[in-house]
Amino acid sequence: EAGVAQSPRYKIIEKRQSVAFWCNPISGHATLYWYQQILGQGPKLLIQFQNNGVVDDSQLPKDRFSAERLKGVDSTLKIQPAKLEDSAVYLCASSLSYNSPLHFGNGTRLTVT
Amino acid sequence: KQEVTQIPAALSVPEGENLVLNCSFTDSAIYNLQWFRQDPGKGLTSLLLIQSSQREQTSGRLNASLDKSSGRSTLYIAASQPGDSATYLCAAVGYGQNFVFGPGTRLSVLP
Repeated sequence: EAGVAQSPRYKIIEKRQSVAFWCNPISGHATLYWYQQILGQGPKLLIQFQNNGVVDDSQLPKDRFSAERLKGVDSTLKIQPAKLEDSAVYLCASSLSYNSPLHFGNGTRLTVT
Repeated sequence: KQEVTQIPAALSVPEGENLVLNCSFTDSAIYNLQWFRQDPGKGLTSLLLIQSSQREQTSGRLNASLDKSSGRSTLYIAASQPGDSATYLCAAVGYGQNFVFGPGTRLSVLP
């Protein structure tokens, strides 16, 4: 089975610029997550989708971050405008159900200068 | 609000040793607990999933236990190898399918 696909792998932007990340989950996985991982810390949930509906976006900085999941499959996460503290790895993950393992992509490493 | 902690933060052992990694969570209302491995520059790889009704789960040299009442899980690695060097993270899975991760334990196995 193909894994979770993410692009790009790396992105360097200046503060106040915008950036977008793309994720394609494992086929058939209804639940999709975006996490932010800062070096030395565990992943922090940004947003959780069930099909194309949002289940939890309580920790998403909505003044600058937005996310959508098109037709319940692919998802994009956008940051506009970026701040220095947004430098992190952005991980996408998907799962079949609440009692199934969580599968991660390799992430996008964002550096904001 | 669920909080997950892991100790130790880092561990260095010689090859062949058996070792234990610890995970603690504050809210016992969980569906399951999952252990992951993360290699540098990579995403997380699922290792073991323990259902809330289970006490332990085994895969090869890995054994994970769960004690919901005390809010603890342990990951036991037998006969460690240099290839086991990575960061190990646990995640408590609550109702609503939300995963709350610990900060991880960075393991180095020396040849």
